[in-house]
Amino acid sequence: EIVLTQSPGTLSLSPGERATLSCRASQTISFIYLAWYQQKPGQAPRLLIYGAATRATGIPDRFSGRGSGTDFTLTINTLEPEDFAVYHCLHYGGSMYTFGQGTKLEI
Amino acid sequence: QVQLQESGPGLVKPSGTLSLTCAVSNDSISSRKWWSWVRQPPGKGLEWIGEIYHSGSTNYNPSLKSRVSISIDESMNHFSLELTSVTAADTAVYFCAGRSAWMLEYWGQGTLVTVSS
Repeated sequence: EIVLTQSPGTLSLSPGERATLSCRASQTISFIYLAWYQQKPGQAPRLLIYGAATRATGIPDRFSGRGSGTDFTLTINTLEPEDFAVYHCLHYGGSMYTFGQGTKLEI
Repeated sequence: QVQLQESGPGLVKPSGTLSLTCAVSNDSISSRKWWSWVRQPPGKGLEWIGEIYHSGSTNYNPSLKSRVSISIDESMNHFSLELTSVTAADTAVYFCAGRSAWMLEYWGQGTLVTVSS
């Protein structure tokens, strides 16, 4: 069973700065099946990135993803006030989904 | 745009059965999509519960498989979740979600279910 470990647990930054979030898999996974979600309080998760690096429809280009093997990164350039939220990584494999525990991005 | 809406009791007694329904709008539940349930305990991360295709094929999280059943009602354009033998650990916001590709694209707003006597 794949385990996804996100770091840091909490990231404290200011608007205008760059955020770098990590998602590490317990074993090598296909980048095709790695996605990132944003979740704001009281809301459902929103798909940001899939295939490790492809932005979903309507996602601003300040969001970017990269990675392969076991290490994946979500970068948010020039943070906007609305970007402060919890970010989850997600893997699909073996007909099931595994989420990371989430990274809280706070001001 | 596909819209999903969860409904069901917000309070379930310990050892009872949690039952939720997800209504699908702006799409047919018989379209080429898989329909999932995901939950999130208060202040914690997301956990995938399972999914169903309109044919009735299902996939479940092994950690919950013995207690979970997901079904589909094409006539009502909705799908449902049953989770048996619930405990306080099953208290969570339950989301329904849908996908056409592999990633979970469409989400309901979520509904809080509390397990308590």
